[in-house]
Amino acid sequence: DGGITQSPKYLFRKEGQNVTLSCEQNLNHDAMYWYRQDPGQGLRLIYYSQIVNDFQKGDIAEGYSVSREKKESFPLTVTSAQKNPTAFYLCASNYNGERQVEATNEKLFFGSGTQLSVL
Amino acid sequence: GENVEQHPSTLSVQEGDSAVIKCTYSDSASNYFPWYKQELGKRPQLIIDIRSNVGEKKDQRIAVTLNKTAKHFSLHITETQPEDSAVYFCAAHYGGSQGNLIFGKGTKLSVKP
Repeated sequence: DGGITQSPKYLFRKEGQNVTLSCEQNLNHDAMYWYRQDPGQGLRLIYYSQIVNDFQKGDIAEGYSVSREKKESFPLTVTSAQKNPTAFYLCASNYNGERQVEATNEKLFFGSGTQLSVL
Repeated sequence: GENVEQHPSTLSVQEGDSAVIKCTYSDSASNYFPWYKQELGKRPQLIIDIRSNVGEKKDQRIAVTLNKTAKHFSLHITETQPEDSAVYFCAAHYGGSQGNLIFGKGTKLSVKP
């Protein structure tokens, strides 16, 4: 099943602990994104990366960190500074928004998500 | 900042009836408007999208309309079936420095058999 793979499916965090969520894609997409989903809140952007070794904060970046050392991978670390981490985390990818490829540029493909809970 | 408002938050219809979900956006430069369907505990799946140079697009029982002047777009599902039950998200793409999608808060659609 090609596409975007997130792991683990379920994750539990102890207080004061950092945890890392994995996201890998084999779609040759340039851009990758992390969203947080809370009930009734829709999808909120945490971080995004349009190219390797570069990433930008989204709307709710506080308490999170990312890296983009490889095109295929965009791991998200939920740090101890994130006081309310319980949520469903979705990784997504698409072609770089700068490309002029009509009908394919912005189409966003999602991973299957990671449910993070606090012990 | 940029914003997408989606209504209603919940929608219940009888099987066979039509369902309409509406979204408004704030950035007049937005040029791409996708709709995603998310079943419980699963990933959002793109079901239809429309670009700003088109007013309407249809794919079998699903259609999307766009009114650029009023900055709103709508999802229409005809002949609803129980398997249409899910949360639907609209989104608007804006070409600012982020170049990504702003999502509405979602509509939980329930289709009663």
